[in-house]
Amino acid sequence: AQSVTQLDSQVPVFEEAPVELRCNYSSSVSVYLFWYVQYPNQGLQLLLKYLSGSTLVKGINGFEAEFNKSQTSFHLRKPSVHISDTAEYVCAVRRTGGGNKLTFGTGTQLKVEL
Amino acid sequence: DAMVIQNPRYQVTQFGKPVTLSCSQTLNHNVMYWYQQKSSQAPKLLFHYYDKDFNNEADTPDNFQSRRPNTSFCFLDIRSPGLGDTAMYLCATSEGPSNQPQHFGDGTRLSIL
Repeated sequence: AQSVTQLDSQVPVFEEAPVELRCNYSSSVSVYLFWYVQYPNQGLQLLLKYLSGSTLVKGINGFEAEFNKSQTSFHLRKPSVHISDTAEYVCAVRRTGGGNKLTFGTGTQLKVEL
Repeated sequence: DAMVIQNPRYQVTQFGKPVTLSCSQTLNHNVMYWYQQKSSQAPKLLFHYYDKDFNNEADTPDNFQSRRPNTSFCFLDIRSPGLGDTAMYLCATSEGPSNQPQHFGDGTRLSIL
């Protein structure tokens, strides 16, 4: 079974500052990794994904994430945030060897302030 | 150009009164999922269809059922909703291979009174 831990439930940050949202996972098998963003009263929108290859993955809205296998982490970063980045960010994993089930973290609320 | 469409966006119903939530997709994906997301919690998978094959999660309550009459549509039926079923219900789709990301609709916020 897989599990996902997002230790920070809320992250406040000033506009134009950098941000890192942490995601750690636990799995006995290899996994695919995803970050989703959820705006109020909306569904989950895919930000980026790691399937294989380069460990640094770039996504939409200027976000990127780095897969670190030894630390079982997939932290999300953005060098300069905007007010419009205020949202819930959810990390998810899925086994590589068959099955369609996503395991989600509990999310991190990013609040960008002026 | 919405690709996964959920109706209604908001639903209020009485305790014990059956309710049906709808999901349609224009992506022609063969896998469709239903998730329940309670406040401040991660989405929890209820079940999914791989084509016509129904896959129920072991801990999904018996009064939650689903129908998929064709590739484009999938319904979530709650036969006798309880107060604890108040939640956001998310529909998602994906292509068959497991490395493809899931695409989500905007959800239906269901309130049981």
